[in-house]
Amino acid sequence: LAKTTQPISMDSYEGQEVNITCSHNNIATNDYITWYQQFPSQGPRFIIQGYKTKVTNEVASLFIPADRKSSTLSLPRVSLSDTAVYYCLVGFDTGGFKTIFGAGTRLFVKA
Amino acid sequence: DAMVIQNPRYQVTQFGKPVTLSCSQTLNHNVMYWYQQKSSQAPKLLFHYYDKDFNNEADTPDNFQSRRPNTSFCFLDIRSPGLGDAAMYLCATSYRGYEQYFGPGTRLTVT
Repeated sequence: LAKTTQPISMDSYEGQEVNITCSHNNIATNDYITWYQQFPSQGPRFIIQGYKTKVTNEVASLFIPADRKSSTLSLPRVSLSDTAVYYCLVGFDTGGFKTIFGAGTRLFVKA
Repeated sequence: DAMVIQNPRYQVTQFGKPVTLSCSQTLNHNVMYWYQQKSSQAPKLLFHYYDKDFNNEADTPDNFQSRRPNTSFCFLDIRSPGLGDAAMYLCATSYRGYEQYFGPGTRLTVT
């Protein structure tokens, strides 16, 4: 399974765009990249998933370069409620559906 | 609209007293996962089921067992809980390794 590396923490202010980059140098051909958000005392919540190029949904965008060795989660105009831990996962139908969470990035949004 | 339900939300057990945590889903997903998450750490995969096929992680202690009697239900049995097993236990489901849907978790306290 591809190992992921993310910054441990990030600070931002309300209204700013936040970009969190994840490195996954050993990503396999069949692997997808998935991001989750987790608030304290709750289960992680799916944010976005992609394979290559750019994916956008109502809450975030995911940028994946051609070599797929990294990906960037972009959160537009964050608010205080976006303060959470963000996890990048790599994998799909490999190793028997195993999924390994990296350490995650703790985002703190300030007023 | 609850899709992944975990019961109970809070469980207190005594050292060495067996405990069972339950998870049910209304999504009809074929994959179900159990994670352990300790304070300020990322979720750690314990095992998962792909349909009825059980997949145990190599480092999951023998003290942890699981049962999946049907598609909708999955149980986590801790045969002899130790103080180090106090954690949040998260159940998740997915369809063929796509996005995972997490339950709210069960917080286990061992006294």
